[in-house]
Amino acid sequence: GAVVSQHPSWVICKSGTSVKIECRSLDFQATTMFWYRQFPKQSLMLMATSNEGSKATYEQGVEKDKFLINHASLTLSTLTVTSAHPEDSSFYICSAPRTVRSSYNEQFFGPGTRLTVL
Amino acid sequence: AQTVTQSQPEMSVQEAETVTLSCTYDTSESDYYLFWYKQPPSRQMILVIRQEAYKQQNATENRFSVNFQKAAKSFSLKISDSQLGDAAMYFCAYRSSLYGNKLVFGAGTILRVKS
Repeated sequence: GAVVSQHPSWVICKSGTSVKIECRSLDFQATTMFWYRQFPKQSLMLMATSNEGSKATYEQGVEKDKFLINHASLTLSTLTVTSAHPEDSSFYICSAPRTVRSSYNEQFFGPGTRLTVL
Repeated sequence: AQTVTQSQPEMSVQEAETVTLSCTYDTSESDYYLFWYKQPPSRQMILVIRQEAYKQQNATENRFSVNFQKAAKSFSLKISDSQLGDAAMYFCAYRSSLYGNKLVFGAGTILRVKS
């Protein structure tokens, strides 16, 4: 089946630094990818839609200058958490839709990245 | 905007028994998709089952089946012959068939399986 990878799987950083998380579709191309944030025992909260070759679309309440998204190729989207603070600590998940049959796309999820900001 | 509601924060089931997880949703659209995703302790999201709204027949995948009531906007998941490996967080999700691939998730239900 289709595979989406994320790197790193976990990262610890100091407050004030920036952290980049990569999301790759390994065996298919994705013009759109999605970034989610998940707190423990809570649901996935959509942060933004990453669009290849154009600006990301952010959900209401998500700071676009804080969470920079770049979709530089058809297989790679990156999320950069700038000037990270402890409240940015969370589990970040990406997903990418792949056409599995005519007119139907299925979402494939990455394994997630655990970010801890000290 | 569409919303998805899962009213059961936690459920327990005895191994080999059957359990039903509830989900309701709100939409003004007539064509859409509904999903159940499983998130085990590894936190990898796994698609359990999908239902296309235009199909009246309830979807089934081995031990997993749904009860889709379109008029009532209800989409419950039944797990038969529960196994220890079914223990996970389960999310109900909605996707419009018209407006891209964006998923709207419910709050989730933690399922515990007792041996």
